[in-house]
Amino acid sequence: QKEVEQDPGPLSVPEGAIVSLNCTYSNSAFQYFMWYRQYSRKGPELLMYTYSSGNKEDGRFTAQVDKSSKYISLFIRDSQPSDSATYLCAMVGSRQFYFGTGTSLTVIP
Amino acid sequence: EAGVAQSPRYKIIEKRQSVAFWCNPISGHATLYWYQQILGQGPKLLIQFQNNGVVDDSQLPKDRFSAERLKGVDSTLKIQPAKLEDSAVYLCASTRISGQGADIQYFGAGTRLSVL
Repeated sequence: QKEVEQDPGPLSVPEGAIVSLNCTYSNSAFQYFMWYRQYSRKGPELLMYTYSSGNKEDGRFTAQVDKSSKYISLFIRDSQPSDSATYLCAMVGSRQFYFGTGTSLTVIP
Repeated sequence: EAGVAQSPRYKIIEKRQSVAFWCNPISGHATLYWYQQILGQGPKLLIQFQNNGVVDDSQLPKDRFSAERLKGVDSTLKIQPAKLEDSAVYLCASTRISGQGADIQYFGAGTRLSVL
């Protein structure tokens, strides 16, 4: 079983839609959870960072962590064409860093 | 604050040739990572340095890949000889050693390697 599982998509939505991206994990030692956004031909850039269960909101983005279910989500409200990218979840535990495989998102104008 | 710098951005070589990539992390970041990202996949850790020491190189193909960070600042990753399956983006990332958010990795733009 992989440490982190992420649906690769691709996901295609119309502009203005609510997008839900998800990852599951198996290691209960993970303490910190991150979402990175990666545009084509660019390195990943940090979008959201959280270390506790619950929701964290930043503008149109909400990160949700459920440690009891070992499940994290990223919600994007009012999606824009500029949100078209690959979204990577990442987790840290015992100073080890694990990435999901990434979900490719396209927002159609 | 300047970001993680990587060079070159692109490299095309023939199989069995050698290639080297360079990374300069964010100033003050003690930990440096090299990742390999194959198209359509998430980054795969190759090697992690803390200052000039290796923390984790368990997934580095040591028969052909090598990396060094001699002065604990910038780092070089080398492939010798290259194989077709080494075609990928090579990402460098760095983190602070302590404090809140110390686990956040900051990435460079990557070096896109094509092996023909």
